[in-house]
Amino acid sequence: DAKTTQPNSMESNEEEPVHLPCNHSTISGTDYIHWYRQLPSQGPEYVIHGLTSNVNNRMASLAIAEDRKSSTLILHRATLRDAAVYYCILISGNTPLVFGKGTRLSVIA
Amino acid sequence: DAGITQSPRHKVTETGTPVTLRCHQTENHRYMYWYRQDPGHGLRLIHYSYGVKDTDKGEVSDGYSVSRSKTEDFLLTLESATSSQTSVYFCAISVSVEGATGELFFGEGSRLTVL
Repeated sequence: DAKTTQPNSMESNEEEPVHLPCNHSTISGTDYIHWYRQLPSQGPEYVIHGLTSNVNNRMASLAIAEDRKSSTLILHRATLRDAAVYYCILISGNTPLVFGKGTRLSVIA
Repeated sequence: DAGITQSPRHKVTETGTPVTLRCHQTENHRYMYWYRQDPGHGLRLIHYSYGVKDTDKGEVSDGYSVSRSKTEDFLLTLESATSSQTSVYFCAISVSVEGATGELFFGEGSRLTVL
């Protein structure tokens, strides 16, 4: 499986934008980039996914580098409720998701 | 929440006893997964299923078996529980419509303690 690299932790101030980076230099042409997050004491929650183009939804935006070797999850205005572990995962076809360690985001009021 | 429920939500058992965790979905999705989560290890895939009677092993399948005799139920069995299987177990379903792994919805988790 293609691997991803994320910072272990990040910190943000409330109501500020947050840019969570993910490096995936060995990504293949058929790999989709998925982001999930896990709030404390809950199961993971789907956030967004994309292939080549940038994507927006009600939760976040996903910016994908032109060479697809990196991507950035953007939370436009962090709230305390966004404090979670964020996972960047590459997936191709119908293979199961394999979770790494993710980035623990802390949001400061 | 994609109609996914796990049972039991909490269980304490003794070493050597069999344990079965149930994952039930109400929306007829084909793909189902069992993960475990432990401090320092994150989420690890135990077994998964692509349909009735179609299952496969994940990265930490030793000591676990699964069954999927109906689309709606995916059972995880610990034949003889050990303390190393103390964990939080999450079931997930894939709600992708194009036949590829897409959005996963997770259950609320089952916390198992093996004494």
